[in-house]
Amino acid sequence: AQTVTQSQPEMSVQEAETVTLSCTYDTSESDYYLFWYKQPPSRQMILVIRQEAYKQQNATENRFSVNFQKAAKSFSLKISDSQLGDAAMYFCAYASGSRLTFGEGTQLTVNP
Amino acid sequence: GAVVSQHPSRVICKSGTSVKIECRSLDFQATTMFWYRQFPKQSLMLMATSNEGSKATYEQGVEKDKFLINHASLTLSTLTVTSAHPEDSSFYICSARSGGLEEKLFFGSGTQLSVL
Repeated sequence: AQTVTQSQPEMSVQEAETVTLSCTYDTSESDYYLFWYKQPPSRQMILVIRQEAYKQQNATENRFSVNFQKAAKSFSLKISDSQLGDAAMYFCAYASGSRLTFGEGTQLTVNP
Repeated sequence: GAVVSQHPSRVICKSGTSVKIECRSLDFQATTMFWYRQFPKQSLMLMATSNEGSKATYEQGVEKDKFLINHASLTLSTLTVTSAHPEDSSFYICSARSGGLEEKLFFGSGTQLSVL
């Protein structure tokens, strides 16, 4: 079974600084997708970024980028120029087919 | 972008009653929908996968007779919590899969169920 591990229950960052959230996963499959989702206090799940495993190039979305290390099964999220609105719970997720497996989450606090 | 509507957003019920939660894909056809449960400060746990026109597939440990899932059309899936008890109190979230060249998953806004 696939597992996703986020080893940082809580992280904090100063506004305008950069923070990296860690995620590792375990799978025997070669074709899959990885995601980072954001869940603000409203609890609406918001897709932050998505990475296809067959692509070597790391995905980027504006201030958000990933460091995807397939051999190490690592998928970290870097948030640059952190903003107060980035404060939320962040979930790393693995998908094979459409079935998502989520990590435990990292609560990110952004300090003004 | 694609929208998934989930209703109600919040429901309070008495122990022993049944509650129905609806999940609708508003601008796309969803052949597959997923139901998750989330306890406070915890992750989302997949309860079941719902395919249009067929029986839902439940995750291990989820009682299919207690959590009834119906996916009668390509835009609607329902989750009914039967004979609800206080331990069923939780946040329930649905997601819908859009097909096509770039398959994506979209989440509903969730339902907070409180059983008294």
